[in-house]
Amino acid sequence: DAGVTQSPTHLIKTRGQHVTLRCSPISGHKSVSWYQQVLGQGPQFIFQYYEKEERGRGNFPDRFSARQFPNYSSELNVNALLLGDSALYLCASSFSTGSNSPLHFGNGTRLTVT
Amino acid sequence: AQSVTQLDSHVSVSEGTPVLLRCNYSSSYSPSLFWYVQHPNKGLQLLLKYTSAATLVKGINGFEAEFKKSETSFHLTKPSAHMSDAAEYFCVANSGNTGKLIFGQGTTLQVKP
Repeated sequence: DAGVTQSPTHLIKTRGQHVTLRCSPISGHKSVSWYQQVLGQGPQFIFQYYEKEERGRGNFPDRFSARQFPNYSSELNVNALLLGDSALYLCASSFSTGSNSPLHFGNGTRLTVT
Repeated sequence: AQSVTQLDSHVSVSEGTPVLLRCNYSSSYSPSLFWYVQHPNKGLQLLLKYTSAATLVKGINGFEAEFKKSETSFHLTKPSAHMSDAAEYFCVANSGNTGKLIFGQGTTLQVKP
């Protein structure tokens, strides 16, 4: 069975540009979450979507947005990129939103902002 | 507010010796607790989870963790380290319904031959 897939794997952008990251969850999973992992730190929660609705949002500026599609795939958009947005962006899926439903992570998208 | 503290940023062991990675949590109520492992340039893999059933949780690859409410700890152990265990380990808590995970700072495990 395919795990969580993310695209692209690597991306280089310049300051001020916009970026879109994509995620396909494990088949049957209806919840998708996004995390930002800056080098040397643990991942930080950005968003969670369930059944196409936003269910949680972390402490990130409005430049960050996301959406979930009818097939449960998801996109993370970041506008007006800053150097500090350089990070590994992880997508995770789970069957539901409950705290007992473990997240399954993709391998991430490495974003470099120059 | 909920938080997770991993007490060691770096742990070095010899192959074949025991592994202990320490984690303390703070929460106003009992959270679900997890340990994830991250190999270089890879995503996170779930090692084990605690969800208020048995306090001793067995995971994959010979790892286990014990939930101790009195000490607010959830330390990860393995009797005998293998070279392939070298990676970054994260202690993680989830106490809500939003699916928001709270990650510790991570512990880098080095395994020496």
